[in-house]
Amino acid sequence: GENVEQHPSTLSVQEGDSAVIKCTYSDSASNYFPWYKQELGKRPQLIIDIRSNVGEKKDQRIAVTLNKTAKHFSLHITETQPEDSAVYFCAASTGQAGTALIFGKGTTLSVSS
Amino acid sequence: SAVISQKPSRDICQRGTSLTIQCQVDSQVTMMFWYRQQPGQSLTLIATANQGSEATYESGFVIDKFPISRPNLTFSTLTVSNMSPEDSSIYLCSVEEGLDQQFFGPGTRLTVL
Repeated sequence: GENVEQHPSTLSVQEGDSAVIKCTYSDSASNYFPWYKQELGKRPQLIIDIRSNVGEKKDQRIAVTLNKTAKHFSLHITETQPEDSAVYFCAASTGQAGTALIFGKGTTLSVSS
Repeated sequence: SAVISQKPSRDICQRGTSLTIQCQVDSQVTMMFWYRQQPGQSLTLIATANQGSEATYESGFVIDKFPISRPNLTFSTLTVSNMSPEDSSIYLCSVEEGLDQQFFGPGTRLTVL
């Protein structure tokens, strides 16, 4: 089945810097790759996603890139702000009917002002 | 996006008992899923709740331990049976909307003594 590896597990940046989180997946049948942000005590929130027919997608300060050949995808946050501090999870679809997701272990991002 | 609610929001249960968690959506959705998030960990898919048929369980999860019902397109339940302290976790339902996008309920925090 699908396996998703995520790095780094923790990331500390200064306000205004960029942050990059990387994930790799194992199942070549996976075709959907979302990213979630989870603040302490809250539910995961979908922040951006990408499908296998697209190489890059941007939404304001957030971008995601996908390399299907290498089976890896990355989240890029520019001009980080303290409110970006949270745990970020990448995920990949299982390739089964419906979009059941397999998650990476998460990255704790800390943005200091 | 759809409004998703879960009941109860939290519970403390005794070893050996069972708890049923409800997930209600304010609109009809085809796909619903159940996940577990142990303290400080990532999300693990338990099963896909199929309307009108048996749930599809992931490796390591069995129907006798986690029976799931999906009587209609707006509601699902997950029962955690014969609980042990290892079942202490946050249980989240999610729904699929639009093209593959998945949104989570607020979660049920379960503590087993």
